Amino acid sequence: DTGVSQDPRHKITKRGQNVTFRCDPISEHNRLYWYRQTLGQGPEFLTYFQNEAQLEKSRLLSDRFSAERPKGSFSTLEIQRTEQGDSAMYLCASSGQGGQTEAFFGQGTRLTVV
Amino acid sequence: SQKIEQNSEALNIQEGKTATLTCNYTNYSPAYLQWYRQDPGRGPVFLLLIRENEKEKRKERLKVTFDTTLKQSLFHITASQPADSATYLCAPPFSGGYNKLIFGAGTRLAVHP
Repeated sequence: DTGVSQDPRHKITKRGQNVTFRCDPISEHNRLYWYRQTLGQGPEFLTYFQNEAQLEKSRLLSDRFSAERPKGSFSTLEIQRTEQGDSAMYLCASSGQGGQTEAFFGQGTRLTVV
Repeated sequence: SQKIEQNSEALNIQEGKTATLTCNYTNYSPAYLQWYRQDPGRGPVFLLLIRENEKEKRKERLKVTFDTTLKQSLFHITASQPADSATYLCAPPFSGGYNKLIFGAGTRLAVHP
């Protein structure tokens, strides 16, 4: 297993278009998180999955954002009608069961909305 | 609301010196706290976890302290090297019970030869 992988690494899109990102977590990890990071800031929590169930979604996340994790394996994050303010690094992380486990992050997807 | 504060300004030190980074948290009492390293354009990488009943944790040249009275964690890198230059993120869990991490803005460390 090579860790958490994200695809694509970079995405440039025009304002108003829809984009979808994919995350493949470490295979035995049942917890999956999406974060967003802008320049000079720490990662900001977006949403959390335990297996296939989406247990929490940040109130900062507008209705244009949706995430899925079918079958509790890979996850997708879709942004509809993108806006320039959506430009950021989107990070996926996974962790195992247990209360105090480290999170393994992917390399992120850099989104630029023009 | 729960808040994490880290030194917002970059820390510049000379190679060989000890770097000390500060993380302060307010409005809650996390049971543990994690530190991550992030290089430009890459995802964070886990370094250390310290629990509330541990005053200090060490790993090679790294040392973390956790003062629950002061609501503060200190992260030390001894004998610093230019390769230690990166952003260091403090991450206690949100009080939700499933290890959702809340990250500080991070402190950028630059070690000069």
